[in-house]
Amino acid sequence: GAGVSQTPSNKVTEKGKYVELRCDPISGHTALYWYRQSLGQGPEFLIYFQGTGAADDSGLPNDRFFAVRPEGSVSTLKIQRTERGDSAVYLCASSLGFRETQYFGPGTRLLVL
Amino acid sequence: GQNIDQPTEMTATEGAIVQINCTYQTSGFNGLFWYQQHAGEAPTFLSYNVLDGLEEKGRFSSFLSRSKGYSYLLLKELQMKDSASYLCAVLKDYKLSFGAGTTVTVRA
Repeated sequence: GAGVSQTPSNKVTEKGKYVELRCDPISGHTALYWYRQSLGQGPEFLIYFQGTGAADDSGLPNDRFFAVRPEGSVSTLKIQRTERGDSAVYLCASSLGFRETQYFGPGTRLLVL
Repeated sequence: GQNIDQPTEMTATEGAIVQINCTYQTSGFNGLFWYQQHAGEAPTFLSYNVLDGLEEKGRFSSFLSRSKGYSYLLLKELQMKDSASYLCAVLKDYKLSFGAGTTVTVRA
């Protein structure tokens, strides 16, 4: 079946702009995660959804970052007033449930100029 | 907090065996995962250990010792396509904490 999909695959924006990154998880997966990966580093946890609610958003760097999953499937990560330091690959993952294997999408490469 | 260490780079010859070590010090533990990541692509799930011992899956095996905070990934009969970054990750509840990854280069 289809894996996790993310759009756009690449996003170039200017400092101060607003961006939205979309994630479509594997069908039937109730858990959804966002991670951020900088060059030469492993992914870092941002936020975890179980169903529609954000069960843990402790990894979000600051209040410019926000994520939603209104119907318990597709999720959108929103970044306001982007800064150059936000440049990274944003990875989405999903799993069948709590403590199950997480499967990753191809990521969105965000570049803030 | 989580502290996960793995070597930065390893090089091996096609057909050989390579062992990638991972040590961890974490405040909680619900399993250890290994992912493969080719440049510019998503991490791909390779293996999962929650109990001590060896899990074998074709050419790839993974070992865990919880008392030592230690795992390794063993890649046998190396192929050129195995050139990639290998990420060790510890699961606590729902959150994966990753090491920085080990870049494996397979030479002909």
